[in-house]
Amino acid sequence: GAGVSQSPSNKVTEKGKDVELRCDPISGHTALYWYRQRLGQGLEFLIYFQGNSAPDKSGLPSDRFSAERTGESVSTLTIQRTQQEDSAVYLCASSLEVRTGFIVTEAFFGQGTRLTVV
Amino acid sequence: AQSVTQLGSHVSVSEGALVLLRCNYSSSVPPYLFWYVQYPNQGLQLLLKYTSAATLVKGINGFEAEFKKSETSFHLTKPSAHMSDAAEYFCAVSEVFGNEKLTFGTGTRLTIIP
Repeated sequence: GAGVSQSPSNKVTEKGKDVELRCDPISGHTALYWYRQRLGQGLEFLIYFQGNSAPDKSGLPSDRFSAERTGESVSTLTIQRTQQEDSAVYLCASSLEVRTGFIVTEAFFGQGTRLTVV
Repeated sequence: AQSVTQLGSHVSVSEGALVLLRCNYSSSVPPYLFWYVQYPNQGLQLLLKYTSAATLVKGINGFEAEFKKSETSFHLTKPSAHMSDAAEYFCAVSEVFGNEKLTFGTGTRLTIIP
């Protein structure tokens, strides 16, 4: 597809269950980001993948959160033992290398996955 | 470490009035700066970006932003607000020779008064 694709678009899960959120970035984009947006709040950085470099996991809020990326393609964000405070919209974005010499490209966002933990 | 501060989580302006959304950044190295917009029930889309080519940057929908290094600011403006401008606006920064990670501000919700 032409844009960043996220699935599912909506997910309702019971407290304590594990969930997997998927992101298909734009083909050829080496950088991939996950952000969380709680109701009425801004974007909270979770994790950043850039090519073959070690991911920047500094934003993951707890060890219940993890993410993987296969090469420069699909990424999966996993939340284990979900809690009600995990309810949010999870946004994925991808971009070409953010800086390539002096070429800067923006991040393109998916529509997000709305996670509700009941 | 880089950071972004957006002053005013909610801004209301009358239709036809000037829009001014404030963004101040902190960066230890030259920054790249971005404004994103999120319309209701839609994903984020890029409004404009500063990449050191010119300090006054023009974006889509009549928006522009000026990079002021002395003030560490990148405020977003539009001369005349339109009802369709009602949305949430996010300022973001990444560093040219440092951490390429995009760091976002907490957002400003813009309301247009008819």
